[in-house]
Amino acid sequence: LAKTTQPISMDSYEGQEVNITCSHNNIATNDYITWYQQFPSQGPRFIIQGYKTKVTNEVASLFIPADRKSSTLSLPRVSLSDTAVYYCLVALRGNTGKLIFGQGTTLQVKP
Amino acid sequence: GAVVSQHPSRVICKSGTSVKIECRSLDFQATTMFWYRQFPKQSLMLMATSNEGSKATYEQGVEKDKFLINHASLTLSTLTVTSAHPEDSSFYICSARGPQGRGNTIYFGEGSWLTVV
Repeated sequence: LAKTTQPISMDSYEGQEVNITCSHNNIATNDYITWYQQFPSQGPRFIIQGYKTKVTNEVASLFIPADRKSSTLSLPRVSLSDTAVYYCLVALRGNTGKLIFGQGTTLQVKP
Repeated sequence: GAVVSQHPSRVICKSGTSVKIECRSLDFQATTMFWYRQFPKQSLMLMATSNEGSKATYEQGVEKDKFLINHASLTLSTLTVTSAHPEDSSFYICSARGPQGRGNTIYFGEGSWLTVV
């Protein structure tokens, strides 16, 4: 399972776009990149998943460069409720579901 | 709604007693589930892989005799913390891979707070 590196914390203000970058230099050919969000005292919640280029859903976008050694989660126009810990994970899609979590990025959104 | 559900969400037990936490997959079968523990302001740490019908696989450093895992059916895995001590107090989370119809996503339970007094 590829190791990931993210900033420990980030601050933002309401209404701004937030970009969180994750480094995964040892990503394998068949690995997918998945981002989760976790609020205090709750289990992680799936945000988005991608393999290459760009993926967008109703809550976020995921940008993955051609070499796939990093990825960037983009949250448009954040609100106070987006204050949470964000985890970037790399794993083989279709595996049993075993995930190894890194430290995550604590995003603090200020009014 | 929740795809993976845990119960109880909070439990307090006395030191030396055992406590069981349940993890259920709703509307789908999960031959494999995972158990994590999380201390305050720390990341999730994988404890073990729960395999339906067979023994669990524990991560290095996790005491299998202390954290008993039973995966007796395709929708239920249980974690029993035996002879609990205050240092076992933590947030325990389970996960399972959802069905193909739900994008093959890995879902997490709501988590269970264990406090040992």
